Amino acid sequence: SQQGEEDPQALSIQEGENATMNCSYKTSINNLQWYRQNSGRGLVHLILIRSNEREKHSGRLRVTLDTSKKSSSLLITASRAADTASYFCAVSGGSYIPTFGRGTSLIVHP
Amino acid sequence: DTEVTQTPKHLVMGMTNKKSLKCEQHMGHRAMYWYKQKAKKPPELMFVYSYEKLSINESVPSRFSPECPNSSLLNLHLHALQPEDSALYLCASSQALPAGGSGNTIYFGEGSWLTVV
Repeated sequence: SQQGEEDPQALSIQEGENATMNCSYKTSINNLQWYRQNSGRGLVHLILIRSNEREKHSGRLRVTLDTSKKSSSLLITASRAADTASYFCAVSGGSYIPTFGRGTSLIVHP
Repeated sequence: DTEVTQTPKHLVMGMTNKKSLKCEQHMGHRAMYWYKQKAKKPPELMFVYSYEKLSINESVPSRFSPECPNSSLLNLHLHALQPEDSALYLCASSQALPAGGSGNTIYFGEGSWLTVV
């Protein structure tokens, strides 16, 4: 099964700034999901984007998908200290079971 | 109610012990999952149950034994574990296995921290 790879591995910003994380993958996918994980806690589902979709929004989150470049991005606008967490992309290919990338660790300084 | 409940939150066990991790959901989901996550690593899939039948076993050692007694419960029985098995064990569920490219949101519990001594 394939795996998404997030970039950067770590991101440190000030409150109010935007945070952008990227996810790249190698083969064709059916859908891609973004999750958030606070330290030592479970994963919280943020957004699912299907392979025939290009952009989705949820509150301060915007996810894009470029299947020609095999990449996705997660934008968090007007970040808050509470957004501090690890963010994972999970790609689903033929088996439809999501496989997680190594994650981006985001720190938002108040 | 989008909640997956895992117990216990923390478990310390010796290498000769037998213990179990429990997971419960009341969302009517028919697919349930066990993932293992080591510190600063992504979650790794262990098992998938679909309609109470084991659908996927990612070559997990037999010292981990899953069980799905009914559609709401998922257990992970642990026996003769090694210190390197210490990790966060995450249970998850989804409405069904994703099909037809539609995808299904997977909901995770808070996890059970396992330490093997």
